[in-house]
Amino acid sequence: EADIYQTPRYLVIGTGKKITLECSQTMGHDKMYWYQQDPGMELHLIHYSYGVNSTEKGDLSSESTVSRIRTEHFPLTLESARPSHTSQYLCASRTGRAEQYFGPGTRLTVT
Amino acid sequence: AQSVTQLDSQVPVFEEAPVELRCNYSSSVSVYLFWYVQYPNQGLQLLLKYLSGSTLVKGINGFEAEFNKSQTSFHLRKPSVHISDTAEYFCAVSDMGAGDMRFGAGTRLTVKP
Repeated sequence: EADIYQTPRYLVIGTGKKITLECSQTMGHDKMYWYQQDPGMELHLIHYSYGVNSTEKGDLSSESTVSRIRTEHFPLTLESARPSHTSQYLCASRTGRAEQYFGPGTRLTVT
Repeated sequence: AQSVTQLDSQVPVFEEAPVELRCNYSSSVSVYLFWYVQYPNQGLQLLLKYLSGSTLVKGINGFEAEFNKSQTSFHLRKPSVHISDTAEYFCAVSDMGAGDMRFGAGTRLTVKP
């Protein structure tokens, strides 16, 4: 079973602040993903990476950015948080057999 | 591109009753299929997966699903549910190449005593 960690679990922050959501995995997976999920709703892919120095935007337009300097680390950054960014953010990594393993999520509230 | 339709947004059921959560997919290529469960304030946990072979797949917590290629379905079943099965269930599909996953909108299973 993959170990994938996200911090913080919960974050309440004011409008205009810069935030970074952390995601780390210890399984050496090359592929990693960020999803945005509103409560009780489907997951929307916002960023993904196929390996170090590889990042791509997903289906859902997002004002966030990501980086992949190390295999195990895939942080997501919002330069200026807005109330519309309030959501749950889920990080995942993928094995060679296509199943994705998910972190516990970060629930972000922008006031 | 693939897409997934979960036919029921909410399924209420009494404890110890059987349940079926329905999932249909569309794809122009061969796919892998998955069911995930999400408990409140948590990430998604893999319940089961179909990659190849037997069309009846058994997963954790007594769940099973059957892949039906002609009907492009992958319905999830459990013969007797418990209160602890109350959660959100997501069906997902990925192609056999890049493997990027598409999720359904989710089905909220509520098990009542």
